[in-house]
Amino acid sequence: QSALTQPASVSGSPGQSITISCTGTSSDVGGHNYVSWYQQHPGKAPKLMIYEVSNRPSGLSNRFSGSKSGNTASLTISGLQAEDEANYYCRSYTSSVAYEVFGGGTKLTVL
Amino acid sequence: QVQLQESGPGLVKPSQTLSLTCTVSGDSVSSGRNYWTWIRQPAGKGLEWIGRIYTSGVTNYNPSLKSRVTISMDTSKNQFSLKLTSVTAADTAMYYCARDGPGYYFDHWGQGTLVTVSS
Repeated sequence: QSALTQPASVSGSPGQSITISCTGTSSDVGGHNYVSWYQQHPGKAPKLMIYEVSNRPSGLSNRFSGSKSGNTASLTISGLQAEDEANYYCRSYTSSVAYEVFGGGTKLTVL
Repeated sequence: QVQLQESGPGLVKPSQTLSLTCTVSGDSVSSGRNYWTWIRQPAGKGLEWIGRIYTSGVTNYNPSLKSRVTISMDTSKNQFSLKLTSVTAADTAMYYCARDGPGYYFDHWGQGTLVTVSS
């Protein structure tokens, strides 16, 4: 069982915006700004999309944005495109333990 | 440009040891402030963090695997390796190596290697 909770699935139509949540505790998500998000297409390695809550790697579309409120981090994708259909995982540094966990993953379907 | 490449047997027999190597280019496994990490993913399931080795050689492991896992590095070859003992079918997965930077995010990944545990 993941220490970080994500919805199993979300969906949206092209052009719409969706938000994926990642809920943890004050020891992880709520305790610092080391939250990152990864996109994984079938058969591919995960790809970093957001780091340190809201930073985008160089060259990544600004349709992807991240935020945090309390113990919940969020990934928002605006202007949904078919190519955004993938699985998304969150990850947060945890101060109380010397190991890492991912969220359970969210499957995004573009209708 | 940082690149990581996993290598190792794709088929391991039950009760044997799984051994994988990750070759790094464009960065040094023995310098900087990075953790060099192994992550796995069973087919159709989520990501599972296996463990990591810091540039100093300090290691951390997933508690659920700790008794069976060893991660080491070979600085002369700029590689780090994973050994998982006493494997079972439950260890069948895609195995990825990744760089975990000082901001605690995996910014570079290998393409992954599929390891099947079967007799």
